[in-house]
Amino acid sequence: GAVVSQHPSRVICKSGTSVKIECRSLDFQATTMFWYRQFPKQSLMLMATSNEGSKATYEQGVEKDKFLINHASLTLSTLTVTSAHPEDSSFYICSATTNYGYTFGSGTRLTVV
Amino acid sequence: DQQVKQNSPSLSVQEGRISILNCDYTNSMFDYFLWYKKYPAEGPTFLISISSIKDKNEDGRFTVFLNKSAKHLSLHIVPSQPGDSAVYFCAASGGSNYKLTFGKGTLLTVNP
Repeated sequence: GAVVSQHPSRVICKSGTSVKIECRSLDFQATTMFWYRQFPKQSLMLMATSNEGSKATYEQGVEKDKFLINHASLTLSTLTVTSAHPEDSSFYICSATTNYGYTFGSGTRLTVV
Repeated sequence: DQQVKQNSPSLSVQEGRISILNCDYTNSMFDYFLWYKKYPAEGPTFLISISSIKDKNEDGRFTVFLNKSAKHLSLHIVPSQPGDSAVYFCAASGGSNYKLTFGKGTLLTVNP
């Protein structure tokens, strides 16, 4: 089946620094990648949709200059949290659509201290 | 504006009994519904789905029921097993895009 590999699984960073999260499709080409964020006891909230080779589409209220998304190839999409602050601490998950439906990465727990 | 609602944050059942997880939605454009299971610090894993042209879909121990008039769906797990203990998310999509809208999840605990 389709597998999305997401790294890192956990990251702790200092306030003001940037963090990059990678999602790779291992055995299929991910034309579209979705990025979600989940705060404790909340639902997964869609942040943005990225299509290979084009600019990401951000959901309302998501700062595109803060959450940089790059989808330069059919197998790799990255989310960079720039100038991270403690309120950015969350669980970030990517997802890709495949012939089998939606496949999710394993998530990244970001803690900004 | 929560378009997909899971009003029960938690549910506890005895092993072997039936688990019923409920989900309500408000957006009439939703035409495809999915249930995901999620363990802590992991991504969701797909369980079962149903399209709006059906009212029931069954896969092994898992059955999803859809009541379009009530905008309600439910996931039945029978018999429940301790390994089913996890957070279950209901998700919906519709229209011309593939975006998923998730509920807040229900923590299911199956007691041995």
